[in-house]
Amino acid sequence: EIVLTQSPGTLSVSPGERATLSCRASQSLSSTSLAWYHQKPGQAPRLLIYGASSRATGIPDRFSGSGSGTDFTLTISRLEPEDFAVYYCQHYAGSPLTFGGGTKVEIK
Amino acid sequence: QVQLVESGGGVVQPGRSLRLSCAASGFPFTSYTMHWVRRAPGKGLEWVALILYDGSNEYYADSVKGRFTISRDNSKNTLYLQMNSLRTEDTALYYCVRHTPMDVWGQGITVTVSS
Repeated sequence: EIVLTQSPGTLSVSPGERATLSCRASQSLSSTSLAWYHQKPGQAPRLLIYGASSRATGIPDRFSGSGSGTDFTLTISRLEPEDFAVYYCQHYAGSPLTFGGGTKVEIK
Repeated sequence: QVQLVESGGGVVQPGRSLRLSCAASGFPFTSYTMHWVRRAPGKGLEWVALILYDGSNEYYADSVKGRFTISRDNSKNTLYLQMNSLRTEDTALYYCVRHTPMDVWGQGITVTVSS
């Protein structure tokens, strides 16, 4: 099983600032098999990034993904109020699919 | 519009069974792999199971293998999760999800396992 470790656990950021979230895999991943989601309270998760760096439909360009091998990053260039949420990385390289433990992005 | 609507949740005693359903609409259901994902109270997301578009193969998380069965009825555009031998640690919000990567999510249905 591929274990995904996200850091930090909580990130305190002011609106308009940049946020950088990390996801480290326990073994090398194909970059085509890494996704990012966010989940706001009371809502279902939403796909943000797939294939490590491709934005999903309707996702603004302030969200960007990068990385390869075991280290992946989600960057939010300028935080908007609606971006405060919990963010998860996920691999889908094979079964079992796994999620990271999540990074909570909160208002500073 | 594209929609997934879960049903069948509730409160059940440990050891009992429950079947979740997910009605899909607004897209060609028969073309998509489908998943169940859950979120336990205070915890993160956990993938539970997937079934290929034609029902030919299923895969499960170790935590549910041998107890849960995912299935689909493509004539009814419906996904199912049969949950047997339920444990308190199965208490969670269960989501029906389309495709890999997971691009469409239902709103979720609550399952509470408690005596």
